[in-house]
Amino acid sequence: SQKIEQNSEALNIQEGKTATLTCNYTNYSPAYLQWYRQDPGRGPVFLLLIRENEKEKRKERLKVTFDTTLKQSLFHITASQPADSATYLCALGGAGNMLTFGGGTRLMVKP
Amino acid sequence: EAQVTQNPRYLITVTGKKLTVTCSQNMNHEYMSWYRQDPGLGLRQIYYSMNVEVTDKGDVPEGYKVSRKEKRNFPLILESPSPNQTSLYFCASSLSSSGGFGEQYFGPGTRLTVT
Repeated sequence: SQKIEQNSEALNIQEGKTATLTCNYTNYSPAYLQWYRQDPGRGPVFLLLIRENEKEKRKERLKVTFDTTLKQSLFHITASQPADSATYLCALGGAGNMLTFGGGTRLMVKP
Repeated sequence: EAQVTQNPRYLITVTGKKLTVTCSQNMNHEYMSWYRQDPGLGLRQIYYSMNVEVTDKGDVPEGYKVSRKEKRNFPLILESPSPNQTSLYFCASSLSSSGGFGEQYFGPGTRLTVT
């Protein structure tokens, strides 16, 4: 069955450093991958979308890579700030119309 | 302001008592969907709709019903709620007519407790 894995353990980093979050998947051939941010008690907020034929996408301090051979996406936040502390979700979409989410990774940026 | 609204935000009910959670979007989006979020299980899709009168099952549709009579509204119906449907529910909408491909706009969530 399809499986999407994100590190369930919280990632703790120091302010100013680069945070790198991973999203691995198996038994899936996604056409695209999305990343969302979720704050406690609130709905996810869209950040970036990357298609299967794209290697990298950037938006301000955010960078996403997508390696369909390794079946992995990396999500980077450069010059991280305490305000970046949240849970980050990856979501994969394929030929159908469903979007499948990973369990999310909690990021804590310490001042 | 572009937004997805859900009502109620919090609901405590008893087993077997039918309930409806409403969802409305003001962005003229074709695609709408419902998710439930549980600790350790993440977000799981319940139902989605590509457009008016077109609905389809997601990963966990059992015990739920939906309808799409108008483009802006996509209510979630629990005919006979059970305790295992206690969860945080999110409605989402997307502009893309190709379904989940587009950026999903999420509502604020509805926390449901079934005793």
